[in-house]
Amino acid sequence: EVQLVESGGVVVQPGGSLRLSCAASGFTFDDYAMHWVRQAPGKGLEWVSLITWDGGSTYYADSVKGRFTISRDNSKNSLYLQMNSLRAEDTALYYCAKDIVDSYSCFQHWGQGTLVTVSS
Amino acid sequence: DIQMTQSPSSLSASVGDRVTITCRASQSISNYLNWYQQKPGKAPKLLIYAASSLQSGVPSRFSGSGSGTDFTLTISSLQPEDFATYYCQESYNTKWTFGQGTKVEIK
Repeated sequence: EVQLVESGGVVVQPGGSLRLSCAASGFTFDDYAMHWVRQAPGKGLEWVSLITWDGGSTYYADSVKGRFTISRDNSKNSLYLQMNSLRAEDTALYYCAKDIVDSYSCFQHWGQGTLVTVSS
Repeated sequence: DIQMTQSPSSLSASVGDRVTITCRASQSISNYLNWYQQKPGKAPKLLIYAASSLQSGVPSRFSGSGSGTDFTLTISSLQPEDFATYYCQESYNTKWTFGQGTKVEIK
C-alpha cells in the first residue's frame, strides 16, 4: 500500500524559513516523479512543485519560484520542500503527491498533509 | 497560462440522481485532464485521469469524457459517500492547474 507521510509544518514568522519532508513507502520511490500541492484554509488546490524521478529536473509555480526548492533523497525514500522568504499567503496545508507513470502526469496518491502557518 | 473553469461552483442533488460537472480549459489540452474528489478534512483522491480513464478502485458510477477544451465528470447514480468537492486539473503543461472546485451537497 502506498503511504506518504508529510512532516515539518509549524507556525513561522513572515520572512522565515521551513523545510517540509515527505516519507514514502509501499512503492519503488525512485521510479516516480513527485509533487508538492498546497491548499490554503477554505480554498482550492494549488500545485507548488515537481521533481523528476532522478531529481534531474524541477518545476515550480510562479508564486513560489525563487523562494522554494524541491529535492529528494532516493536512498531514504524521502521528498523535501525548502521554503524561504515565507509570506502570509504561503499559509496552507501542504500535500506531497506521487505521480502516476512516466508517460503521463497526475497526482495518483496523496499524503494527509502538513500545515504551514505564516504569521507574526 | 491555462485557466481551468468548472461549472457549476456548487450543486444540490439527491441520492440516486445523475450528476454532471463541467470543466473548460482556456486552450486545447487534448485529453490531459484529471478529476479528483475531496471530502472535508481529507486529502484529495484521484478519480479519473487522461479525461476518461478510471483510477483503480474507483466505482464505475464515475465516468469522464471530453477532449480539447471541454470535459465532463458524470456520476451516474449519486451515493451518500459522493457528497464532496470535485476538482478538475490539467496536465498539458508544467503548471498542473486546477479548476476552482464544485461542491456537491445533499438536497
